[in-house]
Amino acid sequence: GIQVEQSPPDLILQEGANSTLRCNFSDSVNNLQWFHQNPWGQLINLFYIPSGTKQNGRLSATTVATERYSLLYISSSQTTDSGVYFCAVPINWGLNGGSQGNLIFGKGTKLSVKP
Amino acid sequence: DGGITQSPKYLFRKEGQNVTLSCEQNLNHDAMYWYRQDPGQGLRLIYYSQIVNDFQKGDIAEGYSVSREKKESFPLTVTSAQKNPTAFYLCASSIGLARTGELFFGEGSRLTVL
Repeated sequence: GIQVEQSPPDLILQEGANSTLRCNFSDSVNNLQWFHQNPWGQLINLFYIPSGTKQNGRLSATTVATERYSLLYISSSQTTDSGVYFCAVPINWGLNGGSQGNLIFGKGTKLSVKP
Repeated sequence: DGGITQSPKYLFRKEGQNVTLSCEQNLNHDAMYWYRQDPGQGLRLIYYSQIVNDFQKGDIAEGYSVSREKKESFPLTVTSAQKNPTAFYLCASSIGLARTGELFFGEGSRLTVL
């Protein structure tokens, strides 16, 4: 099945610094999501980005589907950005029209932003 | 406000007892999902349902059961057959099969088996 790898596994930043998180996937996909899991466990949708670039405030994401990777950029990081960032892609897209909500998750990047 | 509500947020149970976790959504989404998360890990799919009265096994369905009697509700039962039930359980929903796979999550239920 499709594999999803995220890097780095851990990242420590000083407040105000910028960072780039990477997500590699092993097969073609038509759907990719980025999530932020806060310290209380809640998963927040950041981007739904099958291809191209999107921006939302200090965060932006780029997916290059042909090269099978996606990048999440965090600029001017704040302590509230701390948590785990996951990317996820469909498990069985295209197979019997399978549900595109069946996502396989990477293991995440744990971000700690220090004041 | 529209969203996904999971209850309870925290649950303690003795070994050998069945436990049912509730998930309700008012987003009018067709598809609903249950994921399990273990410490330091990503999420793994337990069950999903694309339509009322129908559901499919995910990667780790053994020891779990679900029902989908109403569009807005998708409860998960963790049975005594589940060998390692202590985990964080997340319910999610999406509009439906082919239109979009964008997933939205509830706040989760943390189950501890003593």
